[in-house]
Amino acid sequence: SQQGEEDPQALSIQEGENATMNCSYKTSINNLQWYRQNSGRGLVHLILIRSNEREKHSGRLRVTLDTSKKSSSLLITASRAADTASYFCATLNTGFQKLVFGTGTRLLVSP
Amino acid sequence: NAGVMQNPRHLVRRRGQEARLRCSPMKGHSHVYWYRQLPEEGLKFMVYLQKENIIDESGMPKERFSAEFPKEGPSILRIQQVVRGDSAAYFCASSTQDSQTGELFFGEGSRLTVL
Repeated sequence: SQQGEEDPQALSIQEGENATMNCSYKTSINNLQWYRQNSGRGLVHLILIRSNEREKHSGRLRVTLDTSKKSSSLLITASRAADTASYFCATLNTGFQKLVFGTGTRLLVSP
Repeated sequence: NAGVMQNPRHLVRRRGQEARLRCSPMKGHSHVYWYRQLPEEGLKFMVYLQKENIIDESGMPKERFSAEFPKEGPSILRIQQVVRGDSAAYFCASSTQDSQTGELFFGEGSRLTVL
């Protein structure tokens, strides 16, 4: 299977703390993307990092990419209750035209 | 600019019936993707279509499942003779023709329940 894996599967933190989620994948990629899914809703694109980039920031989000280890991490700083959702990484694999999604991390941020 | 529209949002079918799920991509988008999500799991790719063409259907079961994206009208995912294992959320996503990044815009999903 091409599907990546995310770690941890579930994460529970308090408001104000940082949340770190990790993603591992298996093949060569063009880019890696992170998406968010609120319960019962569709996915929303958060941030994209290209294969030649190592780190990217967007607001409270920080993404790193290590292509030698085939892994990425998403850091959400100063988390809020509204950040409660599932977070998925997705890779655009070299030579393919489709995104392959990871298994997701369920984040719960308690007030 | 309306987003990706999927309907129905919820669909209940009995075993053996047919399910038809519709997806209208964002305005200006000519690429449509269908994904399937089981409860508490990630999204599994099913099929990638452009107008009137199936580009990649490697994730779609060979039997009972079909997809189309006609020149006019929405994309349709059709499941014939549904079984309980088909119960899932089916998500449609679209992208622009010249997207180099693969960023997708998702609909809210159609949740199929097979009794």
